[in-house]
Amino acid sequence: ETGVTQTPRHLVMGMTNKKSLKCEQHLGHNAMYWYKQSAKKPLELMFVYNFKEQTENNSVPSRFSPECPNSSHLFLHLHTLQPEDSALYLCASSRSTSGIDNEQFFGPGTRLTVL
Amino acid sequence: AQKVTQAQTEISVVEKEDVTLDCVYETRDTTYYLFWYKQPPSGELVFLIRRNSFDEQNEISGRYSWNFQKSTSSFNFTITASQVVDSAVYFCALSEVIKAAGNKLTFGGGTRVLVKP
Repeated sequence: ETGVTQTPRHLVMGMTNKKSLKCEQHLGHNAMYWYKQSAKKPLELMFVYNFKEQTENNSVPSRFSPECPNSSHLFLHLHTLQPEDSALYLCASSRSTSGIDNEQFFGPGTRLTVL
Repeated sequence: AQKVTQAQTEISVVEKEDVTLDCVYETRDTTYYLFWYKQPPSGELVFLIRRNSFDEQNEISGRYSWNFQKSTSSFNFTITASQVVDSAVYFCALSEVIKAAGNKLTFGGGTRVLVKP
């Protein structure tokens, strides 16, 4: 059983909808991440949060809006998405962002389809 | 910029055969970390191993072994006596050591391993 959970596991939305993805880690980690995995591209880092503070935004369009209320929870708010945003969105956490505790543990992902 | 190349997109083997997955990386950093992850059909990436750039010892864990060759910038992964449950996509990844900015993983394109009974 993974220590990182994601909900929902599957989401279908129209381009005008607003939805949110949720990630929760039960590992006592301090850093959390959002990744996008689409069919034709390698895994892409989207955002990094360390102790609730955003430390990385990998040139992600503003229609993706992350929120990290505490070190255990991470959200990805979605609005006016495009069909090309359809992908598997993976959340990960790590104890730290550097040094010997930097291995990331992933959740099962949310499979997003934008119609 | 960092880059990770997994030249093999798909490998198909029969159960009990050995399979080696290649990973070649590029980085300007002298300190970095290399990882292997397994992604079964369920979608979740499962952490397998981390190796730092100063540790070139090879490692064996059960049927898995890793060969880190800094001279050739390679970090290859071998599954010995493969089993059907090993069928998955395997990703090699490289992490920069960035102070304060976060732990940025650059992933290779993945190698799909299909183990047939």
